Amino acid sequence: DQQVKQNSPSLSVQEGRISILNCDYTNSMFDYFLWYKKYPAEGPTFLISISSIKDKNEDGRFTVFLNKSAKHLSLHIVPSQPGDSAVYFCAASEIPGTYKYIFGTGTRLKVLA
Amino acid sequence: GAGVSQSPRYKVAKRGQDVALRCDPISGHVSLFWYQQALGQGPEFLTYFQNEAQLDKSGLPSDRFFAERPEGSVSTLKIQRTQQEDSAVYLCASSLGALAVSSEQYFGPGTRLTVT
Repeated sequence: DQQVKQNSPSLSVQEGRISILNCDYTNSMFDYFLWYKKYPAEGPTFLISISSIKDKNEDGRFTVFLNKSAKHLSLHIVPSQPGDSAVYFCAASEIPGTYKYIFGTGTRLKVLA
Repeated sequence: GAGVSQSPRYKVAKRGQDVALRCDPISGHVSLFWYQQALGQGPEFLTYFQNEAQLDKSGLPSDRFFAERPEGSVSTLKIQRTQQEDSAVYLCASSLGALAVSSEQYFGPGTRLTVT
């Protein structure tokens, strides 16, 4: 049973436009959410996180939105750049046991120049 | 480099062989994690160390999997009598704090294990 779902395996966006990556979860105990970015042959790198007490967190071009009632979060990248092309993983964890991240299956973003 | 390193980067094993995968975390990081990432999937938690203590091994898929971190720094993930379903990328991550509460996990590049 997939507790964290990324239903879009891939997404293509024109450079300069907005990229929106979506993630749904089923476990209402999840309290902390993260996005990781992964380039080929490298490990995932942390991008941005959000605690369940917030509904939005912003860091430069990256904004994560959390809708707890819908059990949905999204990552917005504005403006998208070719270097953003990577696989993006959504992850969630419960408190306590915050260290045990449950990852989605990833969305491959391609930003077209 | 100051990041998490893993070796070997690639390992091919014949079914039934034992393998050992090494992780060098970032110096001073208290927490260390192992994940397994199958093709087309996200990383799945295997085990967690706080210094040398293995506090959670609930994700290890069978008793053929064993992890250790005897001196609280380098860790080894050992898989005995490898099976084809063990083929995956094994990722190691470390983080600065204990229990990694809201603490970023830094991932290594992974070891791609192929069992033939």
